[in-house]
Amino acid sequence: DTGVSQDPRHKITKRGQNVTFRCDPISEHNRLYWYRQTLGQGPEFLTYFQNEAQLEKSRLLSDRFSAERPKGSFSTLEIQRTEQGDSAMYLCASSLPTGRAYNEQFFGPGTRLTVL
Amino acid sequence: AQSVAQPEDQVNVAEGNPLTVKCTYSVSGNPYLFWYVQYPNRGLQFLLKYITGDNLVKGSYGFEAEFNKSQTSFHLKKPSALVSDSALYFCAVSPYSGNTPLVFGKGTRLSVIA
Repeated sequence: DTGVSQDPRHKITKRGQNVTFRCDPISEHNRLYWYRQTLGQGPEFLTYFQNEAQLEKSRLLSDRFSAERPKGSFSTLEIQRTEQGDSAMYLCASSLPTGRAYNEQFFGPGTRLTVL
Repeated sequence: AQSVAQPEDQVNVAEGNPLTVKCTYSVSGNPYLFWYVQYPNRGLQFLLKYITGDNLVKGSYGFEAEFNKSQTSFHLKKPSALVSDSALYFCAVSPYSGNTPLVFGKGTRLSVIA
């Protein structure tokens, strides 16, 4: 296992369509995070999981966004009725279990979404 | 609210010269501070972190950062820059203890000129 993987790497869709992204974290990392990065900005937190439990959702995560981690392994992020403002890089990160000091997050390569 | 400021959008430095990328933060409580680097078409890579202890933290690729509590700063430094250090650098803070989501600065583009 060489790192966090994300699929697809690029997605072009038309406004109003639904899209789904997948993230596979590093094995044994029980925390999984989703961030969004727009051009010229740093990543912004969307939501995160500990195992299958979704612990927190940002106010950025509108009701068109939903994330799951059904078995505590991979996670999916779905955007319904996409809008042009959803165009961004969606980043996934994972970290080791809590209780082992503060563990850094390891990031995947991201999924770049373009909404036409 | 917790925040991170990177006051420089771009830093230019000649190869072999020392470099500094600035970061200031605002959090309630004790800060957990990080630096990440982003190369084109690649994900963010962890460089170093400050949790507690020595104010000078050493990280990957010869980078180090100095935590200054009174100035609420966490500047990234390297004694001798390489052309290959050219990338986008992000400072981040965790507003809480434990493994919680990060708040990132907007990034600083470092350009090292041969």
